[in-house]
Amino acid sequence: DSGVTQTPKHLITATGQRVTLRCSPRSGDLSVYWYQQSLDQGLQFLIQYYNGEERAKGNILERFSAQQFPDLHSELNLSSLELGDSALYFCASSVSGTRGVEQYFGPGTRLTVT
Amino acid sequence: AQSVSQHNHHVILSEAASLELGCNYSYGGTVNLFWYVQYPGQHLQLLLKYFSGDPLVKGIKGFEAEFIKSKFSFNLRKPSVQWSDTAEYFCAVNPQTGANNLFFGTGTRLTVIP
Repeated sequence: DSGVTQTPKHLITATGQRVTLRCSPRSGDLSVYWYQQSLDQGLQFLIQYYNGEERAKGNILERFSAQQFPDLHSELNLSSLELGDSALYFCASSVSGTRGVEQYFGPGTRLTVT
Repeated sequence: AQSVSQHNHHVILSEAASLELGCNYSYGGTVNLFWYVQYPGQHLQLLLKYFSGDPLVKGIKGFEAEFIKSKFSFNLRKPSVQWSDTAEYFCAVNPQTGANNLFFGTGTRLTVIP
């Protein structure tokens, strides 16, 4: 157990819908990262937050957005869902956003879009 | 394009065989390098990391990796694998961007036959 929690574990929804994935970082960690793992794209970095502020952005679609709240949990919002958005979404956390600091990964949320 | 390559997609070994998984990256400058492991049904866990210094790094569970700067490689090795090493292995790079986001290879699935 890494100490990072993600809910829900599984999510099945239809195309065009909107979902919210939730991540609680390890106690004391200020930075949260979101990654998407799909069969065709592999593991891709989406976005990073540090203490409520966006720190870095990767290949995140405009239909996707994220935020980190004052209690440091983070939510990833996915809207206008397409079949290709079906993937495993991982959240990771680290004590700081500094380069090289170890990231701890959560168990992931498996999203299936039908 | 900048990338992380893992050329072995699926490796099958018998117990006690030696393991070497390749990882090449195309990012310039100073990079931080990682190997993560994902056991079936579990979250990503850090096996080992290289930031600087001795290019031969030792990680958990008897794994080690060698950084060869001239070859842009960071290959993972284990002298004698066990059935419990069956998992997916990911190489990851943290480029010299200032942010702490990771770029992953496509992963190598290792199956160890008892």
